[in-house]
Amino acid sequence: DTAVSQTPKYLVTQMGNDKSIKCEQNLGHDTMYWYKQDSKKFLKIMFSYNNKELIINETVPNRFSPKSPDKAHLNLHINSLELGDSAVYFCASSQAYMNTEAFFGQGTRLTVV
Amino acid sequence: SQQGEEDPQALSIQEGENATMNCSYKTSINNLQWYRQNSGRGLVHLILIRSNEREKHSGRLRVTLDTSKKSSSLLITASRAADTASYFCATSLGGATNKLIFGTGTLLAVQP
Repeated sequence: DTAVSQTPKYLVTQMGNDKSIKCEQNLGHDTMYWYKQDSKKFLKIMFSYNNKELIINETVPNRFSPKSPDKAHLNLHINSLELGDSAVYFCASSQAYMNTEAFFGQGTRLTVV
Repeated sequence: SQQGEEDPQALSIQEGENATMNCSYKTSINNLQWYRQNSGRGLVHLILIRSNEREKHSGRLRVTLDTSKKSSSLLITASRAADTASYFCATSLGGATNKLIFGTGTLLAVQP
């Protein structure tokens, strides 16, 4: 069983569209994250949720709206997509307060044309 | 701002040689972690070293941490072609969020 799974793996869409990326973890972790990896491979945290509550929002444009229906799921919805949103988006999870490793999904490569 | 800087940005070695990657960071940390990313894949956790530890081993991996210099190194011994990947250090400040701040990464190429 995949520990952290995100769908879709690839997403190609036009500017101005709205799209969603889904993430699920079966590890029983309390904390989930979204990271963005740009073309230079730099990984930047976008959001962190702990038990369905938003903990971190790293000055991400409000076109990005995370939703956590339960602690096993953290979805990312993006409105009015822009060319600069093209990147690989990674979902991850870890156990809160444990200061241990994070488990990452396989990534969603978003291409905005 | 970005927490970690890695050095070198790229490293090419022959199979059997050792590979050393360095990471520097800016603020106090709870722990430092190293991850590997194969091309087109997600990140895989390799090793975690806590701020009160100085050295840690896992198989062919050896990690050191110098909190006075705010730096860490990852040594891969007897490298294999399958070790070809990008390697990232990530620092954690601890607490509820356990947020990881990643370095810029080192692209390692191991030639067979």
